[in-house]
Amino acid sequence: DTGVSQDPRHKITKRGQNVTFRCDPISEHNRLYWYRQTLGQGPEFLTYFQNEAQLEKSRLLSDRFSAERPKGSFSTLEIQRTEQGDSAMYLCASELRGVKETQYFGPGTRLLVL
Amino acid sequence: AQKVTQAQTEISVVEKEDVTLDCVYETRDTTYYLFWYKQPPSGELVFLIRRNSFDEQNEISGRYSWNFQKSTSSFNFTITASQVVDSAVYFCALSEAVTGFQKLVFGTGTRLLVSP
Repeated sequence: DTGVSQDPRHKITKRGQNVTFRCDPISEHNRLYWYRQTLGQGPEFLTYFQNEAQLEKSRLLSDRFSAERPKGSFSTLEIQRTEQGDSAMYLCASELRGVKETQYFGPGTRLLVL
Repeated sequence: AQKVTQAQTEISVVEKEDVTLDCVYETRDTTYYLFWYKQPPSGELVFLIRRNSFDEQNEISGRYSWNFQKSTSSFNFTITASQVVDSAVYFCALSEAVTGFQKLVFGTGTRLLVSP
């Protein structure tokens, strides 16, 4: 049983560039979450998918951010026109809806915007 | 609004010492869930425990134990006979149950350093 995977693990980009991250959840997990974690802080919720539907978005998710989950499988998180303040670890988690729901996290993508 | 407070920023112990990580939470909900996750240097959050608000029984899993006290809104985590491999940042988290999904609210974490 493979866990949640994320790609890339690290990304360095210049301010103003677009970046895209991918998350592959645990197979058959119908819920998928994105969180952002800055240095010295706990993860903060960004958005949530139930299958392919994006059902909740945080106010942290500005209009430069877009997330998709086509066909309810993998998900992508795109940041357009990156800013230095976007530098953070982006974590993906998946969960199976039902009893004892628990989010299992991937290794994260660490983004550095220069 | 929900809030999780982990007042201990960093704790240093010597191997084999017992250590307790504190977690205090705030919520207006009567139904909620509490979690502990471990984040080693590799960065991945590792699930440790999930507890619902109606279950106040303490739990023990090997060297790990958890003390849930609704009266003080605390969910503390104790590691017995700590080991170097326990060195990590530990996060306590809270989720509502009413929204239909679990939006986790995390504390700021406690960094545990276990020296040989």
